[in-house]
Amino acid sequence: AQKVTQAQTEISVVEKEDVTLDCVYETRDTTYYLFWYKQPPSGELVFLIRRNSFDEQNEISGRYSWNFQKSTSSFNFTITASQVVDSAVYFCALSEAREDQGAQKLVFGQGTRLTINP
Amino acid sequence: EAGVAQSPRYKIIEKRQSVAFWCNPISGHATLYWYQQILGQGPKLLIQFQNNGVVDDSQLPKDRFSAERLKGVDSTLKIQPAKLEDSAVYLCASSLSGRYQETQYFGPGTRLLVL
Repeated sequence: AQKVTQAQTEISVVEKEDVTLDCVYETRDTTYYLFWYKQPPSGELVFLIRRNSFDEQNEISGRYSWNFQKSTSSFNFTITASQVVDSAVYFCALSEAREDQGAQKLVFGQGTRLTINP
Repeated sequence: EAGVAQSPRYKIIEKRQSVAFWCNPISGHATLYWYQQILGQGPKLLIQFQNNGVVDDSQLPKDRFSAERLKGVDSTLKIQPAKLEDSAVYLCASSLSGRYQETQYFGPGTRLLVL
């Protein structure tokens, strides 16, 4: 069965520090997708990135970067030079195709609450 | 492009009362999802619709929860009667066709407090 583990429940850093959020997943499939979402205090889940299982290239978007390592089943997220506006709960999620059809089954981790202090 | 709309944003009810939530997905999205997010946890899928048909409702407590998407567009989720443990955020999401490669886009959620 698929499972996503975000071992860090809460992280608190001072503004401008770099911070890495860990995500470890379990799946029996060879084809799957991984996602990161941000949930600010307003409550809406904001999509950040999608990565398929065949693309292990790291990705950088501004201050955000993602490190996908299939060998360790990890998809970690790093914020460089953190800012107060980065404070939110971050979720990692795993998507597999259902056995009977290609429909999506998305499973979330428990989330990591990130607090950036000024 | 308008995002996923949900209403109400907040609801407080007494236990054993009924409550209904409404969701309007992104225009053109065939697949609609309802999730329950209990404080401190990740979202958990309650039900998934493909157009007006149910794809997965295996985690929906059918003795008290019901959902419909009659015309394949907007959807309502109902709880009757509510229990204390139903206090949570109810999130609606949509995707283009429900394929596993696709991104789900979420609405702002409805925060439910059952007293």
